Amino acid sequence: NAGVTQTPKFRVLKTGQSMTLLCAQDMNHEYMYWYRQDPGMGLRLIHYSVGEGTTAKGEVPDGYNVSRLKKQNFLLGLESAAPSQTSVYFCASSRRASEETQYFGPGTRLLVL
Amino acid sequence: DAKTTQPPSMDCAEGRAANLPCNHSTISGNEYVYWYRQIHSQGPQYIIHGLKNNETNEMASLIITEDRKSSTLILPHATLRDTAVYYCIVRTRSNDYKLSFGAGTTVTVRA
Repeated sequence: NAGVTQTPKFRVLKTGQSMTLLCAQDMNHEYMYWYRQDPGMGLRLIHYSVGEGTTAKGEVPDGYNVSRLKKQNFLLGLESAAPSQTSVYFCASSRRASEETQYFGPGTRLLVL
Repeated sequence: DAKTTQPPSMDCAEGRAANLPCNHSTISGNEYVYWYRQIHSQGPQYIIHGLKNNETNEMASLIITEDRKSSTLILPHATLRDTAVYYCIVRTRSNDYKLSFGAGTTVTVRA
């Protein structure tokens, strides 16, 4: 039982490049989330999903797209990376939203030059 | 969600209990108190949560005041591996999808 895994662990992009971050969970959780964390700050929710085939915007969705084609996977896409998207990205999952614990992955460190 | 107030930092001696306070004076009746921690460069880790009763698990104890306006997370025997940022979060149990992380308390356990 690996929990929540994220791929890649670290990536450097040039401004304007695109990439996809992959999150996978093996706990059969319904809900999945993408957060970003900037230095010295707490986590901010980018997008989330309440089930396979559904996604919704969080607090800071601009510049990102997501897809949840399979229950166990949640993809975060950057179509045209900007330096402001340099951050650490965390994926999380939970059985459902209300009063349920969110389990986090190890994070992806992204540097946009 | 109700806002929380935590001290920015605190030190603790290894082997001693660490008591982490959190104020949430505007908490409403359907909001839970959650504690997470984040060890350097890792993803946040769930510790414990409660509504109004005190709670204990293998990691920590959570003491919530009777008026629910504040709580204390207790790490009974702090180790060096407990050095982390600790976040106190309040959230509703009705279809709330996000955790609102504030600045947290940076706890440093010293040998």
